[in-house]
Amino acid sequence: GENVEQHPSTLSVQEGDSAVIKCTYSDSASNYFPWYKQELGKGPQLIIDIRSNVGEKKDQRIAVTLNKTAKHFSLHITETQPEDSAVYFCAASGSNFGNEKLTFGTGTRLTIIP
Amino acid sequence: EAGVVQSPRYKIIEKKQPVAFWCNPISGHNTLYWYRQNLGQGPELLIRYENEEAVDDSQLPKDRFSAERLKGVDSTLKIQPAELGDSAVYLCASRTGTSQETQYFGPGTRLLVL
Repeated sequence: GENVEQHPSTLSVQEGDSAVIKCTYSDSASNYFPWYKQELGKGPQLIIDIRSNVGEKKDQRIAVTLNKTAKHFSLHITETQPEDSAVYFCAASGSNFGNEKLTFGTGTRLTIIP
Repeated sequence: EAGVVQSPRYKIIEKKQPVAFWCNPISGHNTLYWYRQNLGQGPELLIRYENEEAVDDSQLPKDRFSAERLKGVDSTLKIQPAELGDSAVYLCASRTGTSQETQYFGPGTRLLVL
C-alpha cells in the first residue's frame, strides 16, 4: 500500500518568514495530494490540494509543488502569521477525486514565533 | 452550510465497556468515512461508505468494531468491548461523491479508555 513520509515533525519560524514542509510517497499510482491544517481540538481542514497533472498550485500565501518523478510534494507558506500555528498533514490518494483511501503523513507541528 | 457533526466530543470509559460514536455528514454528501487518529499521528481510515454501502472496511477490526449507515445519511461507529489501545480521536469525514471536492472532516470524538 501507499506510504507517506513527512518532514520535519516540528518547525518553528519567525513571524513573516517562510515555512516549507516536505512529503514523499511510495505509490506511483497516487495522483491526488491534499494538505490539511489541524488546530487543537478540531478536525483536519483542507487548505490546498494538487492533482498529478499540475506541478504547482498557489492560493494567496500558500503554495504546493509536486514532483512526480521524484515522488515528493511540498507545502510552502510565505509571510507566516501567528494564526498559521497548527499541525499540518500531507496526504496521498490514488484518485483524482479523493474518493479512494487517503494515506496521511505523520504531521508537522508548525509554530510561528511573534 | 453546516459542517460534519459528531457526538459526543469526549468520552471516557473503562476497558471492556461498549462505546458508540455518531456522525452526521454535510447535507448531500453521499460518501462518508470513519478515521482513527492516534496521538501524534495522521488519521487512518477505518471504513468508507458510498450511500448506505460499506465499500472499504478492510482496516476495520471487525472482532470488536462495527459501523452502520442505514439510511445513507448519518452513521454510527461502535466498539465492543473497548480496549486500552482504542484510546484515540475518531474522525468522521464526508464528500459529495460526484465531484472533485475533497473530504471534509468533523471535529472528532476523543475517546479515553481506562
